[in-house]
Amino acid sequence: NAGVTQTPKFQVLKTGQSMTLQCAQDMNHEYMSWYRQDPGMGLRLIHYSVGAGITDQGEVPNGYNVSRSTTEDFPLRLLSAAPSQTSVYFCASSPQDRVSNQPQHFGDGTRLSIL
Amino acid sequence: SQQGEEDPQALSIQEGENATMNCSYKTSINNLQWYRQNSGRGLVHLILIRSNEREKHSGRLRVTLDTSKKSSSLLITASRAADTASYFCATGGGATNKLIFGTGTLLAVQP
Repeated sequence: NAGVTQTPKFQVLKTGQSMTLQCAQDMNHEYMSWYRQDPGMGLRLIHYSVGAGITDQGEVPNGYNVSRSTTEDFPLRLLSAAPSQTSVYFCASSPQDRVSNQPQHFGDGTRLSIL
Repeated sequence: SQQGEEDPQALSIQEGENATMNCSYKTSINNLQWYRQNSGRGLVHLILIRSNEREKHSGRLRVTLDTSKKSSSLLITASRAADTASYFCATGGGATNKLIFGTGTLLAVQP
């Protein structure tokens, strides 16, 4: 299994451009999520999904859109890139467990710079 | 806002020594997890402790949880240079698998 795959690994954008960060997992996990990691701030949850067709906002959702049309894919869209969105973005997945949380599997991240 | 805060922010030790990192959180939880992040890589799950557990072991790792103090500690025994990484605690408590991460401890193990 490849686990969680994120593409691209690096990207530079100009302010105002849009782009989609891709995330795919091959473990048939129901739960998927997007985090951003900034120096000294740990990981902050952007959006998450508990299954195909179901998404919800996390802690810092503004400026980002997500959709979940299949179990495997969970793309993150930047609508109009801003310098404040310069960050490292991580996608994670896990089995959904309504009783207790499960360990999450992370991709290796997308390093995004907005000029 | 962050749920967890790790202490210390950075820790430097010699190979063979033990490393202890602490995590404090704010609200009631279902479980607490510890993750490791090597430079330039994603996070890797280390250990999960549930709210009704007080201590858990996995190899050289020992995690404790004190729900009355809303705190947890991660002990790495007989540290190795390969343990050099950032360590994060993460708390979960809802019906979803949503986790809230702390700010991390950067551990440097000198050979």
